[in-house]
Amino acid sequence: EIVLTQSPGTLSLSPGERATLSCRASQSVNRNFLAWYQQKPGQAPRLLIYGASSRATGIPDRFSGSGSGTDFTLTINRLEPEDFAVYCCQQYGSSPITFGQGTRLEIK
Amino acid sequence: QVQLQESGPGLVKPSETLSLTCSVSGGSVTSDYWIWIRQPPGKGLEWIGYMYNNGRTKYNPSLKSRVTISADTSKNQFSLNLNSVTAADTAVYYCARAVDSHPFDVWGQGTMVTVSS
Repeated sequence: EIVLTQSPGTLSLSPGERATLSCRASQSVNRNFLAWYQQKPGQAPRLLIYGASSRATGIPDRFSGSGSGTDFTLTINRLEPEDFAVYCCQQYGSSPITFGQGTRLEIK
Repeated sequence: QVQLQESGPGLVKPSETLSLTCSVSGGSVTSDYWIWIRQPPGKGLEWIGYMYNNGRTKYNPSLKSRVTISADTSKNQFSLNLNSVTAADTAVYYCARAVDSHPFDVWGQGTMVTVSS
């Protein structure tokens, strides 16, 4: 099973700043099948990024993903108030599909 | 546009079977991947399993001995059965959809299931 470790656990930033979130896999993610989701309280996760760097439909271009192999990054430029949420990564290239524990992005 | 809606009991007794249904609109359970995921209170997401290719299934090994995912094509629904539940199965349960080798792009709103006597 691939274990995904996200850092930091909590990130405190102000609107307008840039957020950089990390996801590290315990082994190489097959075909870079790494996704990022945003989750707000009481809501289902929302797909942001798939294939490590492709934005899902309707996702603003301030969200970008990068990385390959075992190290992946989600960058959010020019934070908007609605961006403050929990972000989790997911690998879907190997079974079992696994998720990271999440990074909470909070307003400073 | 595909939409999903979970339904089922919010309270299940220990040792009994948790049964949930996901109703699909705007798509067909005979194609794509149809998935169950859960999230214990305050914790991360856990993939339970999925059904694909009109009935084939794949489960998380950690739950495989207790899980069954199946479909009712006449109602365009798919279901989750999890037997011998304990308090550790208390969670929000989500159904979701994936297309081919893509991640989960459509999710239901989730339903909270509590295991308690």
